[in-house]
Amino acid sequence: NAGVMQNPRHLVRRRGQEARLRCSPMKGHSHVYWYRQLPEEGLKFMVYLQKENIIDESGMPKERFSAEFPKEGPSILRIQQVVRGDSAAYFCASSLMASGGPDTQYFGPGTRLTVL
Amino acid sequence: AQTVTQSQPEMSVQEAETVTLSCTYDTSESDYYLFWYKQPPSRQMILVIRQEAYKQQNATENRFSVNFQKAAKSFSLKISDSQLGDAAMYFCAYRRAGNMLTFGGGTRLMVKP
Repeated sequence: NAGVMQNPRHLVRRRGQEARLRCSPMKGHSHVYWYRQLPEEGLKFMVYLQKENIIDESGMPKERFSAEFPKEGPSILRIQQVVRGDSAAYFCASSLMASGGPDTQYFGPGTRLTVL
Repeated sequence: AQTVTQSQPEMSVQEAETVTLSCTYDTSESDYYLFWYKQPPSRQMILVIRQEAYKQQNATENRFSVNFQKAAKSFSLKISDSQLGDAAMYFCAYRRAGNMLTFGGGTRLMVKP
């Protein structure tokens, strides 16, 4: 049973370019969460998605950032016109269900984005 | 808003000894869950242990156990018989009956041979 997959593992972009980060949840999981980890800090919530729906995007910057989780295919976190401050590790997590219960989020290996 | 605080940026333990990592949180909710995640140098986030707030019994997983004090909003992690492979960043996390996790700032654990 494959875990949460993320690609690429490392991504280098120049300022002004676009970054696309992909996340395939664990088999059977329909809830996806994106977190960002700046150097020497804990993870910060960005966005929570179910298939074809954004449930909570309260942690995501209003500009340049967007996320989707289509009916088919992986979840995508897209950062347009990247700046140096976007350099961080981006983690995706998936869970089986969200409401109630000790539902556990399982994390992917992360994508380390470096903006030159 | 919920906050999670880990007051120990770094801890050190001798191999085979016991160490306790501290975590406090702030919430007005009564129904929530608490977690400890381990992040080794590979940066993979690995679930260590979880606790449901409605359970009075402290969770245990092999060498890992927690001391959950709900009234004090404290959730410490005890690692017994420490091993070299336990060296990592440890993050305490809170999740209300809903969705996202709120993480503390982390504690770096070093294990001395």
